[in-house]
Amino acid sequence: QKEVEQNSGPLSVPEGAIASLNCTYSDRVSQSFFWYRQYSGKSPELIMSIYSNGDKEDGRFTAQLNKASQYVSLLIRDSQPSDSATYLCAVNGKAAGNKLTFGGGTRVLVKP
Amino acid sequence: KAGVTQTPRYLIKTRGQQVTLSCSPISGHRSVSWYQQTPGQGLQFLFEYFSETQRNKGNFPGRFSGRQFSNSRSEMNVSTLELGDSALYLCASSFIAGSTYNEQFFGPGTRLTVL
Repeated sequence: QKEVEQNSGPLSVPEGAIASLNCTYSDRVSQSFFWYRQYSGKSPELIMSIYSNGDKEDGRFTAQLNKASQYVSLLIRDSQPSDSATYLCAVNGKAAGNKLTFGGGTRVLVKP
Repeated sequence: KAGVTQTPRYLIKTRGQQVTLSCSPISGHRSVSWYQQTPGQGLQFLFEYFSETQRNKGNFPGRFSGRQFSNSRSEMNVSTLELGDSALYLCASSFIAGSTYNEQFFGPGTRLTVL
């Protein structure tokens, strides 16, 4: 079992719709959770971080965390063609310092 | 505020050679982490440096090493290159290294090709 799992996609959504991305993790003591967006040929860009159970909203993005179910999700509202990218879920379970474990990423295609 | 910078951006080497990659973190950031990204294995953690000390290490062979300087700039070195070392090497910096609630910001990466 992979430590962080994502559906590889592609997730195809029409422009203006909501894209829903899911991520599960295996380490129950994981502390912090991140979503990165990566365009083809570019480096990952941080779009959301979440540390406690519940929802966190930032513009068109909402991250949801459920530690009991070991599940984190990302919603993209009013999807735009510029949202077409690979979205990477990352988990930091270390008690100190940084060691992100990444999922394989979900490719999102927003069709005009 | 300038972002994370990495040099060189592209590198071509042959098997058996060694390579050194450089990373300058965001000003004020003291933690630097290195990751390898390949199509087959995805993004994998190599190591993290803070205050010139390696704090965390991933599951990579000893051919992969790194260091950090007093100005927080970091270098990683790969010796005796193998074809499988061809990858995008990413550096990430973060401000607070003493907790898990650190957001990491990635540089543009160095694309290494081993022939």
